[in-house]
Amino acid sequence: DSGVTQTPKHLITATGQRVTLRCSPRSGDLSVYWYQQSLDQGLQFLIQYYNGEERAKGNILERFSAQQFPDLHSELNLSSLELGDSALYFCASSVGYSFSYNEQFFGPGTRLTVL
Amino acid sequence: AQKITQTQPGMFVQEKEAVTLDCTYDTSDPSYGLFWYKQPSSGEMIFLIYQGSYDQQNATEGRYSLNFQKARKSANLVISASQLGDSAMYFCAMRDNTDKLIFGTGTRLQVFP
Repeated sequence: DSGVTQTPKHLITATGQRVTLRCSPRSGDLSVYWYQQSLDQGLQFLIQYYNGEERAKGNILERFSAQQFPDLHSELNLSSLELGDSALYFCASSVGYSFSYNEQFFGPGTRLTVL
Repeated sequence: AQKITQTQPGMFVQEKEAVTLDCTYDTSDPSYGLFWYKQPSSGEMIFLIYQGSYDQQNATEGRYSLNFQKARKSANLVISASQLGDSAMYFCAMRDNTDKLIFGTGTRLQVFP
């Protein structure tokens, strides 16, 4: 158990819908990262937050957005869902950023299926 | 651009034997970190081992060791004394200067009795 929690574990929805994925980082971790794992794109970084502020952005679609709240939990919002958004979405957390050793601890993931 | 390459889509190894999973990387940053993660069929990502670009010695964690050859830009994972429970996908990743992880395509390892 990494200490990172993600809910829900599974999500099945229809095209055009909007969903929210939730992540609680490990106690004491200030950074939260979101990754998408799909069959065709592999594991891709989406976005990072550090202590409530967006710090880095990757290949995140405009239909997707995220935020980190004052209690440090984070939510990833996916809207106007398409079949291609079906994937495993991981949240990871770390103590900070740009330390010489900054291990990212991964949550169990949320498997999203868009029908 | 930073990139991680894993050229072995699948590997087989007999139980109790050692196996090496290949990883090469490309970066122009002098400071970076290299990670290996294991992803069993259940889906979670399990951290295995880390190597920093300035580390003088190869990292080791139990049965896992990282063969770090900086000049060749390779960071191969060596698993000694393979066990059936080692069957999984293995991902090599690099932490770039913005702190995000860049992953390779993974290697599926199958351990047979």
